[in-house]
Amino acid sequence: DIVMTQSPDSLAVSLGERATINCKSSQSVLYSSNNKNYLGWYQQKPGQPPKVLIYWASTRESGVPDRFSGSGSGTDFTLTISSLQAEDVAVYYCQQYYSTPYTFGQGTKLEIK
Amino acid sequence: QVQLQESGPGLVKPSETLSLKCTVSGGSISNHYWSWIRQPPGKGLEWIGCIYHSGSTNYDPSLKSRVTVSIDTSKNQFSLRLISVTAADTAVYYCARHALRGVTGNWFDPWGQGTLVTVSS
Repeated sequence: DIVMTQSPDSLAVSLGERATINCKSSQSVLYSSNNKNYLGWYQQKPGQPPKVLIYWASTRESGVPDRFSGSGSGTDFTLTISSLQAEDVAVYYCQQYYSTPYTFGQGTKLEIK
Repeated sequence: QVQLQESGPGLVKPSETLSLKCTVSGGSISNHYWSWIRQPPGKGLEWIGCIYHSGSTNYDPSLKSRVTVSIDTSKNQFSLRLISVTAADTAVYYCARHALRGVTGNWFDPWGQGTLVTVSS
């Protein structure tokens, strides 16, 4: 199984400041034949299902604010929120879809400082 | 716009069988893969398994001996069956669509709202 490890487990950031969440996979999720990283990011607010923010490691889902961005390749990935808004308080998960079983990181809880 | 809705008992006794259905509306169940994912209270997300409209399945090896996912294309539904449940199976169970047509390896979108299943006597 590919193990996904996020850091930090929790993060407190001031409104308007940058938030950075890291995700590391135990093996590469870069598929060489199409040069795509099989990595997604989700946002989960209390009582709601996860919502996809980013796929292919850096492609923003339609309707997601452009303050959310994804980067990285191979085994190391980052989700960045450029200017934190109050509505961004949530738990964020990375997920690899390179191979089954599909696996998620343990989650990063983002709060307002 | 495709929507998913889970349904089934919210309480299951230990050693018994958990059975859930996911009804897909606003689109066809054909040509996509469909997954079950669960989340124990206060914890992270765990993929259980998936199915294609053809009936082809793939399961998490840690659950494979206890899980069956099936599909009924005539009803636009797919189902989860988990046998011999214990308290460790208490979780919110989500159904979700694999976003891209015809391909299993991709992200999940959309998701159902989830249903809490508690295993307790």
